[in-house]
Amino acid sequence: EVQLVESGGGLVQPGGSLRLSCAASGVTLSRKDMHWVRQATGKGLEWVSAIGTAGDTYYAGSVKGRFTISRESANNSLYLQMNSLTSEDTAVYYCARAGLSSDSFDIWGQGTMVTVSS
Amino acid sequence: DIQMTQSPSSVSASVGDRVTITCRASQGIGSWLAWYQQKPGRAPKLLIYTASNLLRGVPSRFSGSGSGTDFTLTINSLQPEDFATYYCQQATSFPLTFGGGTKVYIK
Repeated sequence: EVQLVESGGGLVQPGGSLRLSCAASGVTLSRKDMHWVRQATGKGLEWVSAIGTAGDTYYAGSVKGRFTISRESANNSLYLQMNSLTSEDTAVYYCARAGLSSDSFDIWGQGTMVTVSS
Repeated sequence: DIQMTQSPSSVSASVGDRVTITCRASQGIGSWLAWYQQKPGRAPKLLIYTASNLLRGVPSRFSGSGSGTDFTLTINSLQPEDFATYYCQQATSFPLTFGGGTKVYIK
């Protein structure tokens, strides 16, 4: 069964850091572009970051310079290092695979909640 | 950034109805558009990619059309499991962007 499982979410104070992980089973993450998408409670979807098969990275303007996406082939996992967090970063974070011929997301994880609050 | 505008923001419909949702891009995106369905507390699910390609396993009552700036998602013969929120997403350039969503309610 193809599955993505996020972890690492939680409560963090403003200005703090958090590292999210996305573990894959049934699929090899390094073969496709991978993304992070977030959703604040009751709001729409917001694309956050992407990493291509060649290691090229892309970020939304709202997180550029604060978030870093990475991938580790050895354990088939995707990561999102989040620094200088603010309340605006509070959301459910999903990892997603762009497995088709376009940057559309055919496989999603279940999401991990990040809450930035004092 | 490319802005994606969906309409309507919500629609009430009955089982068996046809529902049409539109998505407009602020600039031409070719056919690089995807549609997703999301139910409360769940991750989104891809329905359609490159504007009109139905993902394997998605019921054929879902269809997508359009190119350039104007796109449509049509649900024929709405089923009880189709009541959800639907999002479009442009896949042509970074930053990738989503429409604001259309919630399909039970009438």
